[in-house]
Amino acid sequence: SQTIHQWPATLVQPVGSPLSLECTVEGTSNPNLYWYRQAAGRGLQLLFYSVGIGQISSEVPQNLSASRPQDRQFILSSKKLLLSDSGFYLCAWSLGTGGVGGTEAFFGQGTRLTVV
Amino acid sequence: QKEVEQNSGPLSVPEGAIASLNCTYSDRGSQSFFWYRQYSGKSPELIMFIYSNGDKEDGRFTAQLNKASQYVSLLIRDSQPSDSATYLCAADGGYQKVTFGTGTKLQVIP
Repeated sequence: SQTIHQWPATLVQPVGSPLSLECTVEGTSNPNLYWYRQAAGRGLQLLFYSVGIGQISSEVPQNLSASRPQDRQFILSSKKLLLSDSGFYLCAWSLGTGGVGGTEAFFGQGTRLTVV
Repeated sequence: QKEVEQNSGPLSVPEGAIASLNCTYSDRGSQSFFWYRQYSGKSPELIMFIYSNGDKEDGRFTAQLNKASQYVSLLIRDSQPSDSATYLCAADGGYQKVTFGTGTKLQVIP
């Protein structure tokens, strides 16, 4: 069965510090990978998605970046965090086989980031 | 911009009643629709997906889709306090992307 691991679960970082969140998927090959952010009381905002190694699409221009160095590894980074980067960050994967039923996303446990 | 809209709630229902959650979407090209449940502080978990007009039942949950009206709903029968959560509606947006609504908070009152 497929599993998704995301860490750390919680993180408190000072403004201006760097960020690296990592996500790995097991039990599947060539998944679509996603980073979402959920601000307090808000919906899920898609930040990045990737359909393959080295292929990253950015949905929202901001001081975050993403990389996919391996098929089942997705990394979210920032060089300098802002207060507005605080939120609940979720990594997700989907098979992306196309057509109906092929794009349901499965989420990691999330990282609660507080920038102070 | 492709959008999925939901009433934020909270929707309060008594225990044992039917909870009705609604969602509209703007992209007529969307083919698949999803309902996720998210407990406070936790990540969303998939409850159901639907892609054909009509109803799809799974236990106490029924998803309904009306593509002509661009409307998706989730019915929860015999609501339990453990169903209290935020329910996210989502639609596939093409290019392997899923667009989420902001969620409806459901409160089941014992």
